[in-house]
Amino acid sequence: EVQLVQSGAEVKEPGESLKISCKGSGYTFTTYWIGWVRQMPGKGLEWMGIIYPGDSETKYSPSLQGQVTISADKAISTAYLQWSSLKASDTAIYYCARRAGYCSSSNCYSFYYMDVWGNGTTVTVSS
Amino acid sequence: SYELTQPPSVSVSPGQTARITCSAGPVPKQYAYWYQQKPGQAPVLVIYKDIERPSGIPERFSGFSSGTTVTLIISGVQAEDEADYYCQSVDSSGTFWVFGGGTKLTVL
Repeated sequence: EVQLVQSGAEVKEPGESLKISCKGSGYTFTTYWIGWVRQMPGKGLEWMGIIYPGDSETKYSPSLQGQVTISADKAISTAYLQWSSLKASDTAIYYCARRAGYCSSSNCYSFYYMDVWGNGTTVTVSS
Repeated sequence: SYELTQPPSVSVSPGQTARITCSAGPVPKQYAYWYQQKPGQAPVLVIYKDIERPSGIPERFSGFSSGTTVTLIISGVQAEDEADYYCQSVDSSGTFWVFGGGTKLTVL
């Protein structure tokens, strides 16, 4: 079964750093992009960025560029989202999701939607 | 910048047909994708490439595309379909993804 399992809820103070994780299983982690999606309290979904674990190529939403860092460790099939200095406005649920695609014998192809989602990580930033 | 516009809410009675629109602009529309999100749960894909239905999604879910607007159609709405629905697409370069603001479907 293809799964993305995210790390548990976090409660932090403004200015603290944080790194949350998303572990993939049941598929070849290095050949599928992993995206991150933010959902602020009572609000809609917001695309944050995406990473290709095979070579760590990363793309960020222009509105979030520089505010977060997306990374991956392919040796342990895990993607990360991190902050160096949290703000109260970072309070949200963060989802990781796999970009849909498939691999033939010679090539891998990616589509522009998410087919498998993690369970979400709630991050609360409050003093 | 590329934007997707959805109505904030749609209400229908059980058994009726719900239509949720998603208007793209200002650049030409790419394929659209629809997700259903129930309270406390992660989103679930219900339509991809404007009109395709993933396996496991009930046949009452369908998609329609015309010009720069895509529509999620739920025929014979059931109480369990009450949820938030989001359209999603990408910019013309395929680099940046975007979600619509979401539509709350209420089953009366």
